[in-house]
Amino acid sequence: GDSVTQMEGPVTLSEEAFLTINCTYTATGYPSLFWYVQYPGEGLQLLLKATKADDKGSNKGFEATYRKETTSFHLEKGSVQVSDSAVYFCALHGGATNKLIFGTGTLLAVQP
Amino acid sequence: ETGVTQSPTHLIKTRGQQVTLRCSSQSGHNTVSWYQQALGQGPQFIFQYYREEENGRGNFPPRFSGLQFPNYSSELNVNALELDDSALYLCASLSSGPIISGANVLTFGAGSRLTVL
Repeated sequence: GDSVTQMEGPVTLSEEAFLTINCTYTATGYPSLFWYVQYPGEGLQLLLKATKADDKGSNKGFEATYRKETTSFHLEKGSVQVSDSAVYFCALHGGATNKLIFGTGTLLAVQP
Repeated sequence: ETGVTQSPTHLIKTRGQQVTLRCSSQSGHNTVSWYQQALGQGPQFIFQYYREEENGRGNFPPRFSGLQFPNYSSELNVNALELDDSALYLCASLSSGPIISGANVLTFGAGSRLTVL
């Protein structure tokens, strides 16, 4: 069945460092891909999305490119801030299903 | 503000009890989904309701049930609570029908954290 694999955390970075969180997926067909962020004590917020191969989603300085050839959707940011500290979830939606399939999440801790 | 509100935010129950969690979606959002997020895990799909009918279910037993009301509110009921039911329960709504797409994305509430002792 469809699945999402994320790099395990926690990821600890200094402020202004470059961020990459790896995400790969397994799915039949052409899923839509999402990154959600969960700040401490809060629910999930959509960060960015891509619906077809080679699409690049971007928001708040974060980017991710839908790579069909490597079945990947890695999240990147050029310069992280302390306020980016949160748990990041990669997710996919495939075909005519009505659910999102999430990875296990990656905790990002940014130190000043 | 997400537009999806959930209550209560935290609650504690004992094994064997029943619990009802509530969710209020934005007006016009006629599709609601519930997810269970165990500690350190990603959310898992429980079920979805569209126009007050169950429209898909994940791998959860029948003691997990739901209701959706015409006023865009919904409930998640869990009977015979087990210790493993301890989790954050997330409600999410869709604005345009039951199928997720790039234009019709899930908007999540902040969740209800259930602890079963």
